[in-house]
Amino acid sequence: NAGVTQTPKFQVLKTGQSMTLQCAQDMNHNSMYWYRQDPGMGLRLIYYSASEGTTDKGEVPNGYNVSRLNKREFSLRLESAAPSQTSVYFCASSGQANSYEQYFGPGTRLTVT
Amino acid sequence: AQRVTQPEKLLSVFKGAPVELKCNYSYSGSPELFWYVQYSRQRLQLLLRHISRESIKGFTADLNKGETSFHLKKPFAQEEDSAMYYCALSGLSGGYQKVTFGIGTKLQVIP
Repeated sequence: NAGVTQTPKFQVLKTGQSMTLQCAQDMNHNSMYWYRQDPGMGLRLIYYSASEGTTDKGEVPNGYNVSRLNKREFSLRLESAAPSQTSVYFCASSGQANSYEQYFGPGTRLTVT
Repeated sequence: AQRVTQPEKLLSVFKGAPVELKCNYSYSGSPELFWYVQYSRQRLQLLLRHISRESIKGFTADLNKGETSFHLKKPFAQEEDSAMYYCALSGLSGGYQKVTFGIGTKLQVIP
């Protein structure tokens, strides 16, 4: 099992460009999450999907959209990237909605210039 | 509102010395507390959870409801313990179960 996979690993965008971060899990988990990790801020939840077909805002959703394409895949889209979105993005999954035991992907390091 | 506080961004200890990574929380109900670890160039992974009362890699953490703390301890630090450690709390917030992470503490074990 690959667990949780994310693509790309690195990305550089110019202000105003758009992109989609991809996430997939092969553990048959119901719930999936997107976090951003910033120095001194810890992990902050952007969006989550408790189950296939549902998505909800987390702590810092502004500037992002998500799609739960199917049970395996949960994508994060930046429509118009801003320098404030420079961060490391982690996708995670869990067997239950907001279960404490979350399985994380390797992360995507995004730089917006 | 639920909150997790890790007061130290960086903790440096010598190999063989005791380690204590502090975590305090704010939550009105009965929380579920846990520690995640992120080794260099690896993904975050669950280290331990308070309900299991287990010891993983020599680490233990006891939930102290009176002091609202869940400090992570290890009697003798090893070089391979160097990593980022995140304390997290799972609790009901706004009608759904929410997980809140602290800002993390970087543990540096000096040979």
